[in-house]
Amino acid sequence: SYVLTQPPSVSVAPGKTARITCGGNNIGSKSVHWYQQKPGQAPVLVIYYDSDRPSGIPERFSGSNSGNTATLTISRVEAGDEADYYCQVWDSSSDHGEVVFGGGTKLTVL
Amino acid sequence: QVQLVQSGAEVKKPGASVKVSCKVSGYTLTELSMHWVRQAPGKGLEWMGGFDPEDGETIYAQKFQGRVTMTEDTSTDTAYMELSSLRSEDTAVYYCATGVRSYSTHYFDYWGQGTLVTVSS
Repeated sequence: SYVLTQPPSVSVAPGKTARITCGGNNIGSKSVHWYQQKPGQAPVLVIYYDSDRPSGIPERFSGSNSGNTATLTISRVEAGDEADYYCQVWDSSSDHGEVVFGGGTKLTVL
Repeated sequence: QVQLVQSGAEVKKPGASVKVSCKVSGYTLTELSMHWVRQAPGKGLEWMGGFDPEDGETIYAQKFQGRVTMTEDTSTDTAYMELSSLRSEDTAVYYCATGVRSYSTHYFDYWGQGTLVTVSS
């Protein structure tokens, strides 16, 4: 089955740029989606189709995907961005296909 | 705007079954593709299955095949997820989420608030 690898944690100072990676075999050939989850809350979609933002998500959130790595970039990080972030793809290699999530990355704002 | 409201927390004994509901408002269930995702305490997200509109059927993650059943009551716009033969490792928060199926991918745009299921003897 397809595996997505994320770093367990990323730390960044307020106002700086955070980059959270999601590694997978030839992930650039798949569409990657990103979710933000704050403690005790349900996940929220922040990026879909590699780099599109749902309405209401700040422009500070952006995404890219190429080769074996997809990246979620958060510019001008704020304290309120502290959360767990998950990448997700659709793996069509099995009979019916499966949704695959990365293990998650905890973003700490210093 | 879609709103998903899930049923309350459950405590079950090992070997029992649990059925979690997810009430839709803002849209009808027939306009949506409902999926279920769970999260064990302190762990990541795990997809359990959901409706694939391209195939017109519910698909289940291989891990849960034979143990999970996802159904819908369109008269009340309520989706259900039933998990049987519960074990302690099934202790988790269970989320319903609406799926978007497009360009050979799925993603989830609206989520319920989650239902904690605790399996303990």
